[in-house]
Amino acid sequence: DQQVKQNSPSLSVQEGRISILNCDYTNSMFDYFLWYKKYPAEGPTFLISISSIKDKNEDGRFTVFLNKSAKHLSLHIVPSQPGDSAVYFCAASASWGSNYKLTFGKGTLLTVNP
Amino acid sequence: ETGVTQSPTHLIKTRGQQVTLRCSSQSGHNTVSWYQQALGQGPQFIFQYYREEENGRGNFPPRFSGLQFPNYSSELNVNALELDDSALYLCASSSQGVDGGYTFGSGTRLTVV
Repeated sequence: DQQVKQNSPSLSVQEGRISILNCDYTNSMFDYFLWYKKYPAEGPTFLISISSIKDKNEDGRFTVFLNKSAKHLSLHIVPSQPGDSAVYFCAASASWGSNYKLTFGKGTLLTVNP
Repeated sequence: ETGVTQSPTHLIKTRGQQVTLRCSSQSGHNTVSWYQQALGQGPQFIFQYYREEENGRGNFPPRFSGLQFPNYSSELNVNALELDDSALYLCASSSQGVDGGYTFGSGTRLTVV
């Protein structure tokens, strides 16, 4: 039973364009959501987070949108750069504002072509 | 500021054996969490340690156990290894009560044959 789903295993975009990575969740108790980026042979790196009291959070080129009624969140990267090529994981927590016991999706491999 | 370091980076064990994986948390972090990432899957929560005590556990059997030391470093022990235990084991450190993501180590790749 996957509580966090990333239905697109891979995504390919052109440099300079927008990358949109999607994530759906089923557990209504989730109240804190995070995105991580992972390069091969490295651990995941924290990118951006959003709590359930917000519907948008922005940090530089990265914006996360949360639609609680649809149980859906998305990560927008604008403009995309070749260095953004990595696996992106969506994660969720049911412990308010905390990193406790994150539930991860399976990840989406983003390839940004020069 | 040093990050999270894990050792060893790779390990091959035989089914039925026991293994200990080690993690040094990032300076200033007092909480350590362990995750298992099987091939093609996202990381799955094993347990978390805070102030040297287990502070929550995921759906893993008791043969997965851990320790946290006064310097906040940690060990993950797995007894009676099974083939399905083959995975990347990730250690992550954080500070209790501080927002934001974990700092992950690069992981230990365990292969059980």
